[in-house]
Amino acid sequence: QLVESGGGVVQPGRSLRLSCAASGFTFSSYGMHWVRQAPGKGLERVAIIWFDGKNKYYADSVKDRFTISRDNSKNTLFLQMNSLRAEDTAVYYCARDQFRGLKGFAFDIWGQGTMVTVSS
Amino acid sequence: EIVMTQSPATLSVSPGERATLSCRASQSVSSNLAWYQQKPGQAPRLLIYGASTRATGIPARFSGSGSGTEFTLTISSLQSEDFAVYYCHQYNDWLSWTFGQGTKVGIK
Repeated sequence: QLVESGGGVVQPGRSLRLSCAASGFTFSSYGMHWVRQAPGKGLERVAIIWFDGKNKYYADSVKDRFTISRDNSKNTLFLQMNSLRAEDTAVYYCARDQFRGLKGFAFDIWGQGTMVTVSS
Repeated sequence: EIVMTQSPATLSVSPGERATLSCRASQSVSSNLAWYQQKPGQAPRLLIYGASTRATGIPARFSGSGSGTEFTLTISSLQSEDFAVYYCHQYNDWLSWTFGQGTKVGIK
């Protein structure tokens, strides 16, 4: 199970930190992802982190503003979002790789999502 | 970045009928293709991975086919709970994975 928290309403230019608490599986063995969905829109890649946290990858739209990280001792994934823009308004989901390993996989476990609204 | 194009954008189907959804990749993704179902206010749910393997607990009326650049999700006999938005997802380019824009399956 994955449970996100930390969403809310924030002014443009401000920061927000999302968390995703994992339970029921060996969190430290799986790659993790943040995926977002703007209101009425489709699913968009935000960031990827390897199982050990050593490598991270970002969508161009959030590069240099967002930082993905994880604390495997606390079974928690994070997304630090700085310099927020109106276009970052979306539901943010965390999702787990279906299998362990360093390659692409489908996402078999998703959190319920947390809403981030960027507005003045 | 690999672009995934789904068609049609909207599909109207009567309960009990077959629904066929298509997904095309801008370049080959081999069989590294998944399908998800999303209902309003809910997270996506994995249906199919590896282009044709049903995920755990997914009913047999859902089937996937294709490889390379052309993929199909078929729902053999639509049930009321199947009316939702369906997304394809390529993970062949695994550090730049992408989703299609979705197909909404509605009641005819």
